[in-house]
Amino acid sequence: KQEVTQIPAALSVPEGENLVLNCSFTDSAIYNLQWFRQDPGKGLTSLLLIQSSQREQTSGRLNASLDKSSGRSTLYIAASQPGDSATYLCAVDSWGKLQFGAGTQVVVTP
Amino acid sequence: NAGVTQTPKFQVLKTGQSMTLQCAQDMNHEYMSWYRQDPGMGLRLIHYSVGAGITDQGEVPNGYNVSRSTTEDFPLRLLSAAPSQTSVYFCASSLYLGTGSGEQYFGPGTRLTVT
Repeated sequence: KQEVTQIPAALSVPEGENLVLNCSFTDSAIYNLQWFRQDPGKGLTSLLLIQSSQREQTSGRLNASLDKSSGRSTLYIAASQPGDSATYLCAVDSWGKLQFGAGTQVVVTP
Repeated sequence: NAGVTQTPKFQVLKTGQSMTLQCAQDMNHEYMSWYRQDPGMGLRLIHYSVGAGITDQGEVPNGYNVSRSTTEDFPLRLLSAAPSQTSVYFCASSLYLGTGSGEQYFGPGTRLTVT
């Protein structure tokens, strides 16, 4: 059974620092991996999707890498801003079923 | 486009009552799914569908039924509500790419309390 872990569970950084969020999964037979952002009381917003054949994806200040063989993905957020404060979740798609990590709660202090 | 819509936003049920959570999307997505989110446990897949007439179970299907008669709609039915079903429920949709899903679009969620 696929298991997805996100460490740390919570993270607080001063504005301007780079954020590094980790996601690990136990079964490398994945179709894709997605990173999401969730604001309190809201639904999830997709940030980046990495297909299993890709090594990384970039969108603005966000960069996500994928190492299937080691079962790891990392989300980098450059030059963090208070507006980046949210919970970040990763999810892996194994044969059409998405398995989510519990998320990392990020606070960026001004 | 409205994207993914869910109704109601909030609901309180008594134990044993039944209800249907509605989910609709206007993006012509084949793949639709239901999740529940509980504190500290992330999102868990309840049921999913890869097209009209096709549904399958996820990780936590017990106590829930689904059907998919149209591409647009994917309702979730609680047969006999229990306090353990108190949760926030999210519906999502995406393209279906043969062996996996595409970028997921989520609805705003339904907060359900069972007393």
